[in-house]
Amino acid sequence: DTGVSQDPRHKITKRGQNVTFRCDPISEHNRLYWYRQTLGQGPEFLTYFQNEAQLEKSRLLSDRFSAERPKGSFSTLEIQRTEQGDSAMYLCASSPLDSPSQNTEAFFGQGTRLTVV
Amino acid sequence: AQKVTQAQTEISVVEKEDVTLDCVYETRDTTYYLFWYKQPPSGELVFLIRRNSFDEQNEISGRYSWNFQKSTSSFNFTITASQVVDSAVYFCALHPISGANNLFFGTGTRLTVIP
Repeated sequence: DTGVSQDPRHKITKRGQNVTFRCDPISEHNRLYWYRQTLGQGPEFLTYFQNEAQLEKSRLLSDRFSAERPKGSFSTLEIQRTEQGDSAMYLCASSPLDSPSQNTEAFFGQGTRLTVV
Repeated sequence: AQKVTQAQTEISVVEKEDVTLDCVYETRDTTYYLFWYKQPPSGELVFLIRRNSFDEQNEISGRYSWNFQKSTSSFNFTITASQVVDSAVYFCALHPISGANNLFFGTGTRLTVIP
């Protein structure tokens, strides 16, 4: 098990372009999360999947953002018509689901740093 | 409302000194989890500890120790005999049982250990 993997690590794009990031969670982890982290701030929650179902979305996730986890394994986060304010580190995390009432720590990937110019 | 406050933005210590990172949280939930994560320059958040709201026993793991005080809504983190490798940004986070299934992070404390 190599941990949570994110690709690409860095992305520079022009304003108005679309970008897509990929996250491969730890195998057999049912839960997958996307967070956004801007400079000098803590990560902020964007969205959460349990298996292939997207169960929660933050108000931060505007209609230009879409996330999928089609087979309950890897996930993609797409940003359409990027804006300079989208520049941030996008972090993916996963955690196992042992029982409905049990919470365990989330394991984070190294993130994708997006720069919109 | 759920909120985590890390009032110390940056701390610098000389190697081998002890350092305490403060964390104060707000939640209306009676059941919640508290976490500490370390973020080295590589960017990956490394899990350090999880505490549930019913367990106020302090914990020690090597040079790390945590002091959870429910009465003051604090979950402080102490590094004893700091080392250069401890230099990183440290985040405290809250996970309430109710509501959204996510972590609420503080703004982090950047620790620099000077050799």
